[in-house]
Formats: sequence, C-alpha cells, structure tokens
Amino acid sequence: GENVEQHPSTLSVQEGDSAVIKCTYSDSASNYFPWYKQELGKGPQLIIDIRSNVGEKKDQRIAVTLNKTAKHFSLHITETQPEDSAVYFCAASDNQGGKLIFGQGTELSVKP
Amino acid sequence: GAVVSQHPSWVICKSGTSVKIECRSLDFQATTMFWYRQFPKKSLMLMATSNEGSKATYEQGVEKDKFLINHASLTLSTLTVTSAHPEDSSFYICSKRTNEKLFFGSGTQLSVL
Repeated sequence: GENVEQHPSTLSVQEGDSAVIKCTYSDSASNYFPWYKQELGKGPQLIIDIRSNVGEKKDQRIAVTLNKTAKHFSLHITETQPEDSAVYFCAASDNQGGKLIFGQGTELSVKP
Repeated sequence: GAVVSQHPSWVICKSGTSVKIECRSLDFQATTMFWYRQFPKKSLMLMATSNEGSKATYEQGVEKDKFLINHASLTLSTLTVTSAHPEDSSFYICSKRTNEKLFFGSGTQLSVL
C-alpha cells in the first residue's frame, strides 16, 4: 500500500522568511496530493492540492511542487506570518477508493 | 464555508459507557464518509469508510464491534464508541469528498475517565 514520509517534523522560521515542507510517496499510482493545515483542537483544513498532471500550483503565498519521477512533492510558504503557525500534513491518494494516506505532520512555528 | 458538521466537539465519559459522534454533510449528499482517529502530536489514521445504506468498511486492526458506524441517510454518518475505556481517548474526525476533494469536520475530543 501507499506510504507517505514527511520532513521535517518541526520547523521554526522567522516572520517573513519562507518555509518548505517535503513529502515522498511510494505508490506510483497515486495521482492526487493535498496539503492540510491543522490548528490545535480543530480538524484539518485543505489549503492547496495538486494532481499528477501538473508540476506546480500556486495560491497567493502558498505553492506546491510535484516531481512524479522522484515521487516527491513539497509545500512552499513565502512571507510567513505568525498565523501560519500550525501543523501541516501532506497526503496522497490514487483517487479510486478515495482513501488519503497522510504524512506524519510538520509543526511549523513562525516567530514574530 | 464548512461542508461537514461534526458534533460534539468534546465529550467526557465514564469507562464502560458508549459515546455517539455525529457527522453531517452540509452541502451535497454524501454517499461515502470517512472516519479518522488522531493521537496527540500524531498523524491521522483512517479507521473506516462509511457507506450509505450498507456496512462500513473497516481498516485492518480497527475493531468493528468497538467502533460502530451507521450511515442511514445520505447526509448523516455516526460513530459510536461502545463500552469506552481510557485507551479509546483520542481525537476523532470525520470527512467527506466533495468534487474529488476531502473535507474534514471540526473533530471530537473524547476523554474516557
């Protein structure tokens, strides 16, 4: 089955700097890669996603890149703000069964 | 806006009692919903897939008699933790697919004393 590895587990940046979180997946059949932001005590919130027919997608300060050959995908947050502090999860799915397999999560801390 | 409404947001119960968590689809009908469990500072683990009008599909290692899932209507799925014990304490989250995207409820923190 699919296995998703996420790094780093914790990330601390200064406000205004960029943050990058990386994930790898094992199943070449996976074709959908969402990213979620989870604040303490709340459910995960979808922030951006990418499909395997696209190499990069951007939404304001957030961007995701996908390298299908290497089975890597990354989340990039530019001009970080304290409110970006949260736990971020990557996930992968083959979209057939609808099951998402999640990475281990990255706790991002943006210091003012 | 939210597409999934989950209740309650937190519940404390005594060991041996049962607890029901509701997950309601707010936009379109949801023939399939998913239940996840999350331990503190850990990732989300899929427990089961809830199918409207049929039995839920449980992931390996999840006790179907402990975690009863009912999906009797197209907009409501429920998870009942039966005879809860302290080790069942966890954060439970439901989700549904809309336009091929997966959206989550706000989660339920269960604490079993």
